[in-house]
Amino acid sequence: GAGVSQSPRYKVAKRGQDVALRCDPISGHVSLFWYQQALGQGPEFLTYFQNEAQLDKSGLPSDRFFAERPEGSVSTLKIQRTQQEDSAVYLCASSNLDGEGRTEAFFGQGTRLTVV
Amino acid sequence: AQSVTQLGSHVSVSEGALVLLRCNYSSSVPPYLFWYVQYPNQGLQLLLKYTSAATLVKGINGFEAEFKKSETSFHLTKPSAHMSDAAEYFCAVTYMANQAGTALIFGKGTTLSVSS
Repeated sequence: GAGVSQSPRYKVAKRGQDVALRCDPISGHVSLFWYQQALGQGPEFLTYFQNEAQLDKSGLPSDRFFAERPEGSVSTLKIQRTQQEDSAVYLCASSNLDGEGRTEAFFGQGTRLTVV
Repeated sequence: AQSVTQLGSHVSVSEGALVLLRCNYSSSVPPYLFWYVQYPNQGLQLLLKYTSAATLVKGINGFEAEFKKSETSFHLTKPSAHMSDAAEYFCAVTYMANQAGTALIFGKGTTLSVSS
């Protein structure tokens, strides 16, 4: 597709349930990022992939959060045993170097996760 | 360490008035700076970016921003507000690295309201 696609757009999970959020980046983009945006806040970095390699996962808030990008394209963010504090919008972004060696991140519309 | 401070969580202007959204950054290396806009239930859309070329950057929808190193600022302006400008605006900072992308660090956002 032309842009970054995320699914589902909305997810309601019961506390303790596992969820999986999908991100389909722009075709050919090397870099993929996941961000968490709590209500009324700016997005906060979770994790970064370069192709299939997860180069930075320093932003993942706990070991209940896990991300993968096995073939260097689609990525999945998995949250195990969801808690109410996990309620947020999860944004995916992909980027590539432009012709002058600079990057620009393109964002998906996000998945709004509500844990009840 | 890098950080971004957006002064004013909420700015209200009348249609046709000047828009000024403030952003100050902290970075130990030359920064790349961005302004993003987010409409309700949408992802982030890039308005403009500063990547060490011209200090006055023009973006989409009539917005522009000026990088002032001495003031560590990157304020966003628009001469005449439109109703359609009402949205959440985020300032973000990153730095160039030898890879296809680096994580963005966002401010907490400023909600712009435009009244008729």
